[in-house]
Amino acid sequence: GENVEQHPSTLSVQEGDSAVIKCTYSDSASNYFPWYKQELGKRPQLIIDIRSNVGEKKDQRIAVTLNKTAKHFSLHITETQPEDSAVYFCAASIGGGNQFYFGTGTSLTVIP
Amino acid sequence: GAVVSQHPSRVICKSGTSVKIECRSLDFQATTMFWYRQFPKQSLMLMATSNEGSKATYEQGVEKDKFLINHASLTLSTLTVTSAHPEDSSFYICSASAGARDHEQFFGPGTRLTVL
Repeated sequence: GENVEQHPSTLSVQEGDSAVIKCTYSDSASNYFPWYKQELGKRPQLIIDIRSNVGEKKDQRIAVTLNKTAKHFSLHITETQPEDSAVYFCAASIGGGNQFYFGTGTSLTVIP
Repeated sequence: GAVVSQHPSRVICKSGTSVKIECRSLDFQATTMFWYRQFPKQSLMLMATSNEGSKATYEQGVEKDKFLINHASLTLSTLTVTSAHPEDSSFYICSASAGARDHEQFFGPGTRLTVL
């Protein structure tokens, strides 16, 4: 089955700095890679996703890059703000209606 | 976006009892629903995948007789934790997908189960 690894497990940055979280996956059939933000005790919220037919996607301060050859993808948050503090999870899936396999999560703290 | 609800949000029960958790898609038909459990400060671990009208597919290591899943309609899936024990205490989250043409999964708010 799919194995998704995520690094780092914790990350602290100063407000205004950038944060980068990296994930690797094992199954070359995976073609959909969402990123979720989860606040304590709440449901995961989709923040950005990327499909395997593109290498990069950006939405305001958030961007995701994908390297299919190397089987890794990364989340980039620029100009971080305290409200970005949360746990972020990457996931991999082989397509619509199929299971998500989540990374181990990254606890991001943005220091004001 | 699509809305998924879960009920109850919290439940405390005695060891040995069974607990049923409901997951509903409120504004779309969910051909597939997923059940996850999440321990404190850990990731979401997929437990099983359920498709409407068919038996659930369980992930390796998940006891199907302990975690009973029923997906009786396109808007409702239930997870029953049978003969619950303290080690079953966890955060259980469901998600729903509209089908093969839709990659996104919509998550419920989760159910905090505490077994005494």
